[in-house]
Amino acid sequence: NAGVTQTPKFQVLKTGQSMTLQCAQDMNHNSMYWYRQDPGMGLRLIYYSASEGTTDKGEVPNGYNVSRLNKREFSLRLESAAPSQTSVYFCASSEGTGVRYNEQFFGPGTRLTVL
Amino acid sequence: GENVEQHPSTLSVQEGDSAVIKCTYSDSASNYFPWYKQELGKRPQLIIDIRSNVGEKKDQRIAVTLNKTAKHFSLHITETQPEDSAVYFCAATKWSSASKIIFGSGTRLSIRP
Repeated sequence: NAGVTQTPKFQVLKTGQSMTLQCAQDMNHNSMYWYRQDPGMGLRLIYYSASEGTTDKGEVPNGYNVSRLNKREFSLRLESAAPSQTSVYFCASSEGTGVRYNEQFFGPGTRLTVL
Repeated sequence: GENVEQHPSTLSVQEGDSAVIKCTYSDSASNYFPWYKQELGKRPQLIIDIRSNVGEKKDQRIAVTLNKTAKHFSLHITETQPEDSAVYFCAATKWSSASKIIFGSGTRLSIRP
């Protein structure tokens, strides 16, 4: 049981390049989330997917797109990377049902640098 | 939408002393308030949570209190130990709904030996 996994762990992009961050969970969770973490800013929600087939914007969605590929996988795409998107990106999942509805389980993070 | 403010941003306490971190929220409909701990270079992990139908919850050396009227909640750590050094995040959301979970900006807690 790997929990939540993310790839890649590190990435360096040039301004204008595109890339997709991958996230997968093996806990049969319904809900999945993408956050970015910047110094002094805490964790800010980019997009979330309450259940398979649905996605919604979070606090800071501009410049990003997401795909809930199936129940296990939730990807985050940067179409044209900008230096302001330099950050650590965390994927998380939660059961979305039952007594542990909202408890977030986080992946190890992806450290992205945009030059 | 929900807004969560967290104070202080940094906190240094002597080992063995207590630490208190405070958060306020804006949306009166929020009813679930978790706290996450993030050690250096690691992922955030849930340490304790509280729902709005209770005022206080304890788990060994950590406790969380909630004042719904004032819309604030606090994390209390007693008898602090070196392994308590980390960044702590509060958050607020509506339980059992497909709602956004909004985090505070974090508190870096350092324990002095």
